Amino acid sequence: AQTVTQSQPEMSVQEAETVTLSCTYDTSENNYYLFWYKQPPSRQMILVIRQEAYKQQNATENRFSVNFQKAAKSFSLKISDSQLGDTAMYFCVWTPFSVGNTPLVFGKGTRLSVIA
Amino acid sequence: EPEVTQTPSHQVTQMGQEVILRCVPISNHLYFYWYRQILGQKVEFLVSFYNNEISEKSEIFDDQFSVERPDGSNFTLKIRSTKLEDSAMYFCASSPFLTSGGTYEQYFGPGTRLTVT
Repeated sequence: AQTVTQSQPEMSVQEAETVTLSCTYDTSENNYYLFWYKQPPSRQMILVIRQEAYKQQNATENRFSVNFQKAAKSFSLKISDSQLGDTAMYFCVWTPFSVGNTPLVFGKGTRLSVIA
Repeated sequence: EPEVTQTPSHQVTQMGQEVILRCVPISNHLYFYWYRQILGQKVEFLVSFYNNEISEKSEIFDDQFSVERPDGSNFTLKIRSTKLEDSAMYFCASSPFLTSGGTYEQYFGPGTRLTVT
C-alpha cells in the first residue's frame, strides 16, 4: 500500500524567512502525482503545488517550490518570503497516474505557524 | 470563484442514529469524493462517485455507509447506524472530468465535524 510520511508535525518560521517542509512516500508505481495542499484555520483545503513524477523539473508556483527526488521518494516544499497568510496545515499528497480520477493518499500534515 | 460547500458544519448525534452529510460540488464537476479525518490522524479516502455510481471505495466504506446524488446538485453521505468511532471530520471533494490519462485537482469543501455520543 502507498504511504506518505510527514515527519514534522509542527514548524514555525519568521515572516519573510524561508522554510522547508519534508515529505517522503512509498510506492511501487512508476507514474504518479504528488501535491501539497494547504488548509488555513477553519477554511477549505486548497492546492498549493503539484508535481508529475515523469517530469524531472521541479515545480514552482510563485513563492512555493518543491524538491522532488524520485529515487529517494522525497518531495519537500519550500516556502520563500513567508507571509502571515501562509499559516496553515500543509498536507503532502500522492495519487497514481490513471485514466479518470483516483483517490488521494495523505500524509498526517505539518502545522506551519508564521510569526510576525 | 466556485467552491464546494458542505452542510452542516457540525453535527452531533447519538450512537445508533442515522446521519446524512450534505455536499454541493462545483457545478461542472463530474467526479465526487468523500474523505474523513479522525482527530489527530490522516485524511483517509472513503469513496469516489462518477456517472451515478460508486467508482472506488476503501475498506472503511462498509455497509453502514452509502452515497447518493439525489437531485443533480447535492452529493450525500449517509451513515446508517453511527458508532463512536465514526466521530471525525468528513470532507467532500469534486473534480472535473479528464479526457486523457492524468489527474485533475480535487477541490475540497470545508468539512462537516461529526460527533457521535
